[in-house]
Amino acid sequence: GESVGLHLPTLSVQEGDNSIINCAYSNSASDYFIWYKQESGKGPQFIIDIRSNMDKRQGQRVTVLLNKTVKHLSLQIAATQPGDSAVYFCAETHFGNEKLTFGTGTRLTIIP
Amino acid sequence: DSGVTQTPKHLITATGQRVTLRCSPRSGDLSVYWYQQSLDQGLQFLIQYYNGEERAKGNILERFSAQQFPDLHSELNLSSLELGDSALYFCASSVGQENQPQHFGDGTRLSIL
Repeated sequence: GESVGLHLPTLSVQEGDNSIINCAYSNSASDYFIWYKQESGKGPQFIIDIRSNMDKRQGQRVTVLLNKTVKHLSLQIAATQPGDSAVYFCAETHFGNEKLTFGTGTRLTIIP
Repeated sequence: DSGVTQTPKHLITATGQRVTLRCSPRSGDLSVYWYQQSLDQGLQFLIQYYNGEERAKGNILERFSAQQFPDLHSELNLSSLELGDSALYFCASSVGQENQPQHFGDGTRLSIL
């Protein structure tokens, strides 16, 4: 079946450094990808999205990279801040199917 | 603030009972999605409604049902509750078109005793 990001790793980064969170997906038909941030007691918060006709997209302090050849997605966060501490999920969907398939998430901890 | 409102925030009930979770989507969004988040299963899609009609179904148990009303708010009904139904239930909304992000509420935490 479909699967996205099978692991729940943790990542600790010094405040001010850059962080990279990775996600693997298995459905080659996936054409739309979203990164979400979930803080304790909150719902997933939209960060950035990317369509399969792109390989890079930048937002404010965040960049998403998509490598369709190896079915890999990454989220780069620049100049991390304490408020970036959260669990980050990648999610994917494909044409004709609006439901999101989520990865298990990565817990990012920013060390002051 | 995502603009998606879910009530109640917490719900504690017993096995065998029935509960109703409520969701108000963002203004202008026609699609509502329900997801379940548990420790062992992560975030799992349950069901989607678009403008009052069921559009897609995921891993939703027969004991669970949902509906979307003319004002576009949605309710998720969970019946014959079991201990394993304890989880966070999230509602998300979107405009309902392809490749548009879903925006999530802060969820309802359901605890079955």
